Amino acid sequence: DTGVSQDPRHKITKRGQNVTFRCDPISEHNRLYWYRQTLGQGPEFLTYFQNEAQLEKSRLLSDRFSAERPKGSFSTLEIQRTEQGDSAMYLCASSSRGTTAADTQYFGPGTRLTVL
Amino acid sequence: GEDVEQSLFLSVREGDSSVINCTYTDSSSTYLYWYKQEPGAGLQLLTYIFSNMDMKQDQRLTVLLNKKDKHLSLRIADTQTGDSAIYFCAERERSNYQLIWGAGTKLIIKP
Repeated sequence: DTGVSQDPRHKITKRGQNVTFRCDPISEHNRLYWYRQTLGQGPEFLTYFQNEAQLEKSRLLSDRFSAERPKGSFSTLEIQRTEQGDSAMYLCASSSRGTTAADTQYFGPGTRLTVL
Repeated sequence: GEDVEQSLFLSVREGDSSVINCTYTDSSSTYLYWYKQEPGAGLQLLTYIFSNMDMKQDQRLTVLLNKKDKHLSLRIADTQTGDSAIYFCAERERSNYQLIWGAGTKLIIKP
């Protein structure tokens, strides 16, 4: 079990550029979540997949944000026309239905985005 | 809407017990979680408690849940320097799987 991995770990971009992040969940975990965390705050939920289906999206997820999980394994999060307010740590987590009723979420190390 | 609140800082002496508190507003919460975040590291799950329990113990960690008051606490016995981190409380709603998080409590260990 290699844990949840995210790539890249850091991304610096200029305002207006598009960025894409990747998350590889723990193998066989069928649920995958994206969160955003800013300094001094707890994570904020963005979206959630069960297998390849995107079941829930936060109102924080504007139309500049899109997430996919095409084969029910890895996921990508794309931000178009980045703004300085998008600067944050983007966290991915995965969980497995049926492992426990608690559906505990395991987190990756995050991708830190800085928009200049 | 749902809200989870925590004190921002807690300072304790090495060897003492630390008690980190959390309050939440959603009475339909099913599970409540404690996560630890060290500098430069990801969120590490410490423990969780189901809403029909009032206590859970796991080695040095004790979780207490007062469902009537919507109050959750995490007690760390014999606090060590390696316990320095930010501790997050999170609740899961009955109707979905998203977690609602507090802002985190930074635990500072004094020698």
